[in-house]
Amino acid sequence: DAKTTQPPSMDCAEGRAANLPCNHSTISGNEYVYWYRQIHSQGPQYIIHGLKNNETNEMASLIITEDRKSSTLILPHATLRDTAVYYCIVRVASNFGNEKLTFGTGTRLTIIP
Amino acid sequence: DAGITQSPRYKITETGRQVTLMCHQTWSHSYMFWYRQDLGHGLRLIYYSAAADITDKGEVPDGYVVSRSKTENFPLTLESATRSQTSVYFCASSEPTGPRGYGYTFGSGTRLTVV
Repeated sequence: DAKTTQPPSMDCAEGRAANLPCNHSTISGNEYVYWYRQIHSQGPQYIIHGLKNNETNEMASLIITEDRKSSTLILPHATLRDTAVYYCIVRVASNFGNEKLTFGTGTRLTIIP
Repeated sequence: DAGITQSPRYKITETGRQVTLMCHQTWSHSYMFWYRQDLGHGLRLIYYSAAADITDKGEVPDGYVVSRSKTENFPLTLESATRSQTSVYFCASSEPTGPRGYGYTFGSGTRLTVV
């Protein structure tokens, strides 16, 4: 699996957009970018994933560069409840749900009131 | 309620004792996983299962045993608990999030302390 690099921590003001970067320069053509987050003491939560097109859902937007070597997760209007550790994971997607995701240390995002 | 549930939420056990952590999911997802999370190590995969009666080792399987006699249950057993197995344990199952993507849904975790 391609390795990912994320900043260890970031702050963002409440109500502003939080932009979390991730570098995955060794990503292969069939590997997807997944984002999860873990709010204190809870299990990780799936946020979004994408291959090469930008993606948006009710939680966030995912912007993947054209060369696919980096991506940015955007939380458009951050709230205090978005304070969490965010994990960027690169993995081959399958039709069977058998991906064994490898979690790194992620980015600790703190939303400032 | 539909979902994935783990029990117990908290457990304290003594070194050498056997302890079983339970995981139950209501979706009939084929794939289920056990992770442990320790400070400084992030989440590490212990075992996973592709279906009933099919299991395989993950990154850190030593000291653990799993079984999956029914699709909905995936218990994790520590046969002889050691202090190094003090951790937070998360169970997960995978679900389709489309297109060709599968997201994990995690349980709330079991905080295990071995004294």
